[in-house]
Amino acid sequence: AQRVTQPEKLLSVFKGAPVELKCNYSYSGSPELFWYVQYSRQRLQLLLRHISRESIKGFTADLNKGETSFHLKKPFAQEEDSAMYYCALSGWDDKIIFGKGTRLHILP
Amino acid sequence: DAGVIQSPRHEVTEMGQEVTLRCKPISGHNSLFWYRQTMMRGLELLIYFNNNVPIDDSGMPEDRFSAKMPNASFSTLKIQPSEPRDSAVYFCASSLGSGGDTGELFFGEGSRLTVL
Repeated sequence: AQRVTQPEKLLSVFKGAPVELKCNYSYSGSPELFWYVQYSRQRLQLLLRHISRESIKGFTADLNKGETSFHLKKPFAQEEDSAMYYCALSGWDDKIIFGKGTRLHILP
Repeated sequence: DAGVIQSPRHEVTEMGQEVTLRCKPISGHNSLFWYRQTMMRGLELLIYFNNNVPIDDSGMPEDRFSAKMPNASFSTLKIQPSEPRDSAVYFCASSLGSGGDTGELFFGEGSRLTVL
């Protein structure tokens, strides 16, 4: 069965410190992985997807098939990074499921 | 483009009443998804459509929930009868792709439902 696990509900990080939001998945096949972000009073929106291999707003995520992980990282946190982050998985059947989300709080 | 449009933005109703949530996807998008967001469960997929056809409704919690997509520009999610545990934010999202390449989801602003 498809499953996305985000072990942390809340992550507090000081400004300027590194950030790592964890995501593990369960899927028998080759999924596509995404990170979505929801800033205060804004719509949920795509942050990045693993096939793009881009860095968006300083964030990167590498798909590790051996560990079935897709952790989101940023070397230096900024206050505007405070938001709710969701890891998502898409399979061959177009079904897109999300983890429970991690709220990132950047401390000044 | 106004993006995905959902209505109503807020709904407060009493237990036992029927609730209908509406969604207009982005024109030209082939896939439409309904999600429910709660603190405890995060974002749960309820049902999704490809080219107006329901593909997977295994996430619909009970028979009280039903969803339709009569045409490419409109979808409804109905709860009848509603219960307090249905209180949540319901999101609609659409995407351009289908057939194994769904791509980016574009979300509406959500409908916040409170059942008293």
